[in-house]
Amino acid sequence: NAGVTQTPKFRVLKTGQSMTLLCAQDMNHEYMYWYRQDPGMGLRLIHYSVGEGTTAKGEVPDGYNVSRLKKQNFLLGLESAAPSQTSVYFCASGRRADGYTFGSGTRLTVV
Amino acid sequence: AQSVTQLDSQVPVFEEAPVELRCNYSSSVSVYLFWYVQYPNQGLQLLLKYLSGSTLVKGINGFEAEFNKSQTSFHLRKPSVHISDTAEYFCAVSVYLGPGGTSYGKLTFGQGTILTVHP
Repeated sequence: NAGVTQTPKFRVLKTGQSMTLLCAQDMNHEYMYWYRQDPGMGLRLIHYSVGEGTTAKGEVPDGYNVSRLKKQNFLLGLESAAPSQTSVYFCASGRRADGYTFGSGTRLTVV
Repeated sequence: AQSVTQLDSQVPVFEEAPVELRCNYSSSVSVYLFWYVQYPNQGLQLLLKYLSGSTLVKGINGFEAEFNKSQTSFHLRKPSVHISDTAEYFCAVSVYLGPGGTSYGKLTFGQGTILTVHP
């Protein structure tokens, strides 16, 4: 009964470092999403995927890359982290009209 | 493109009082509407959703919302709040493009409303 699992939960990066955030879901959902949450701005869509092997850009994709090699996993990469990428990152999965199931988030600080 | 505006960034209320959190949306096509709740240091949890049919939808924890197409609103209400309802609430919209189309479920979120329930 895991739902959506995000790893890691916390991370501190230095400017210019790279990292990958992992999202795993066990509900056989086709659609998966990465959002970032910043105070007063709600959640903004970074990238999304409508199935294994497919990805697309969301509202704020710059500085991020994604991959969906397996249906259950959706990876978010930061190639060269910047302080502007300090945020809380949420992964979600779901179907079009069902609403999402969210992970518990990854709190990333870039110094 | 669609947009969502939550009219209040913070709503303080006393325990057992009624509350209304306001949400307006803008879209040129039909939409699905959602309310999510986020407790401190947690992910978002679906409270309720409007897809079609009755404009009054009931959700978990005693919350309900009414879809008003003419006013493009989807306000969230609870007749009597508890301390445990203290959280941030997000309104969200997904575009419905008809049986042959899809928006791939992408949600556009409002900025959030922090509900604080005082004893």
